Amino acid sequence: GAGVSQSPSNKVTEKGKDVELRCDPISGHTALYWYRQSLGQGLEFLIYFQGNSAPDKSGLPSDRFSAERTGGSVSTLTIQRTQQEDSAVYLCASSLFGSRGLFFGSGTQLSVL
Amino acid sequence: KNEVEQSPQNLTAQEGEFITINCSYSVGISALHWLQQHPGGGIVSLFMLSSGKKKHGRLIATINIQEKHSSLHITASHPRDSAVYICATYSGGGADGLTFGKGTHLIIQP
Repeated sequence: GAGVSQSPSNKVTEKGKDVELRCDPISGHTALYWYRQSLGQGLEFLIYFQGNSAPDKSGLPSDRFSAERTGGSVSTLTIQRTQQEDSAVYLCASSLFGSRGLFFGSGTQLSVL
Repeated sequence: KNEVEQSPQNLTAQEGEFITINCSYSVGISALHWLQQHPGGGIVSLFMLSSGKKKHGRLIATINIQEKHSSLHITASHPRDSAVYICATYSGGGADGLTFGKGTHLIIQP
């Protein structure tokens, strides 16, 4: 596609349910980031993928959070047993490793009721 | 790891005023991004800069690589410009390669 696509743009779920957030990076981009922004807070690093290397998961806040990147392209961030504190904007960005160009998705607004 | 500081944190201005938001960072970077986040949460990428100046409509972004400083200007501000403006620096890769400022909350009053 022309840019980084995130879906859904908005998700409302009930506490305890699982959710999947999707990021479609620009074709050929090898690096992919997930960040989240809770209300009133700055953007918080979650996970970084680079090619076929093991992802850097150091930012994932708990074991309820996981992410995968299939075929080096689409990435899915999964939150199990959602809690109200998971409510945030989840932002994805991708780049061709080593290049200057970093491109952002428009984010997924997650609301846990 | 890069440290990114934005100022001011909050800014309220009257419609028509010239607005300046500043961003300073601590280490060399490949590129700097300005993002706009509206109240609904959606994020729009405004500019990507590696040197000089860019203009898009009423928005102007500048970067001084030697000073490690960037500014975002809004001319003839309008209430629809009210949003959070976020500066992000990119160092070309790695988990530490992307660093965000805390954002500037801008309100333009009619």
